[in-house]
This record gives sequence, C-alpha cells and structure tokens, in this order.
Amino acid sequence: QQPVQSPQAVILREGEDAVINCSSSKALYSVHWYRQKHGEAPVFLMILLKGGEQKGHEKISASFNEKKQQSSLYLTASQLSYSGTYFCGTELINLYNFNKFYFGSGTKLNVKP
Amino acid sequence: EAQVTQNPRYLITVTGKKLTVTCSQNMNHEYMSWYRQDPGLGLRQIYYSMNVEVTDKGDVPEGYKVSRKEKRNFPLILESPSPNQTSLYFCASTSAGAEGLQPQHFGDGTRLSIL
Repeated sequence: QQPVQSPQAVILREGEDAVINCSSSKALYSVHWYRQKHGEAPVFLMILLKGGEQKGHEKISASFNEKKQQSSLYLTASQLSYSGTYFCGTELINLYNFNKFYFGSGTKLNVKP
Repeated sequence: EAQVTQNPRYLITVTGKKLTVTCSQNMNHEYMSWYRQDPGLGLRQIYYSMNVEVTDKGDVPEGYKVSRKEKRNFPLILESPSPNQTSLYFCASTSAGAEGLQPQHFGDGTRLSIL
C-alpha cells in the first residue's frame, strides 16, 4: 500500500533541476508532498487532487496523473535550502469513510554549492 | 500559535515497562495520527483517529494502543515495550473534509529507545 518513490537519493549542484517520482498500485484520491530537514519534523509542501492539475510553490511544482497513479515533484534551479528528504503521501478511504494515510520511503536530496 | 505538542522529546527505557507518549493539538482538528520513522522505511502510520472515540489501525499497529477521549489529545501507549519499538515517533493533526485530508501539522517528534 505504501507508495514507491524514485530515486532514493539525488545529489545536485546549486541551480540544477531534479524530479522525484511517486507511484502507487492503488487508485489515488490525492497526493501530498512533504519535506523533512535532518532532525526536524516533516513540513507540508503541497496537495494535489484528482484531475491532473499541476501546482506550484516558488520553484517547486508537482503534477498528478491519476490514470497512471503517479505524481512527480519538480525542483527547478535548486537552492541549498532545498536539501532534505522528500516524502510523497497518499490516502486511502475505506468502507467506513476512514482515511488511512501512507507515506513513501522518501527521496534524500543533497544540494551542494 | 497553532501547534502539535508531544512529550517527552526523548525517552530511554527498558523492555516491558509501560509508557505513554502524549500528543496535544490546539487547532480543533478532527484527524490525529501517530507515525513511526525508521531509516529507509519512511513514516509509517501506527494508529489514527477521525474524531473523539473514533480510532482505527494504521499500517503498523502491533504493540501499540491509543485513545481519543478529548478532541485535542491523542496519547500513544506502549503496554509492554520491546526493543523493536525503538524509533522516532511523530504525532500529526489535520482537518478531514469532502476533499480528503488537509495538510498535516507535525509535532517535534519523540525519540524512543527501548533497551
């Protein structure tokens, strides 16, 4: 049930771009993206709902392809502050309308000067 | 200030000694959740609660208990802790609406070591 993220790790130079992918074997209701800095709690980046919309947050954007059950996070012109571990998360709504939540295993991004 | 407060932040204890990790939120959120984080495995949901007195198992509930007697509090109970429960634990809260879960707010985490 846990979504699969790729790659597991990325090393970039400042100013380079990166793409992080998230896929699920289950039909996705929505996709959430979070970033976690070392020793800190995860911090919310964005939510994408069904409909294939693309969202943006400064130079970080994401897309959601519900047919392929995939989402991608795009980091453009990366900055040192982008370093951290990125998690996608998906929710599955069961028969009782309860929302179970699954995080991917994470993608560690290291941006170097 | 909107926040999720977990206590304690760090705890070292021994196998079999019951412990409780508290979690409290001041945002009037219906949905609260506990996660454990282990290297290479990401965050895995232990238990979650849709509202007062409504709880359900997450992905890894074995060895844990929860209760939701008040909307703001969601304690995590380890009745008989074992070394494989050594981990970093996060509590989170959010609203749950027609479009699903909203962004989750996380506590600072509890690092638990069971010897």
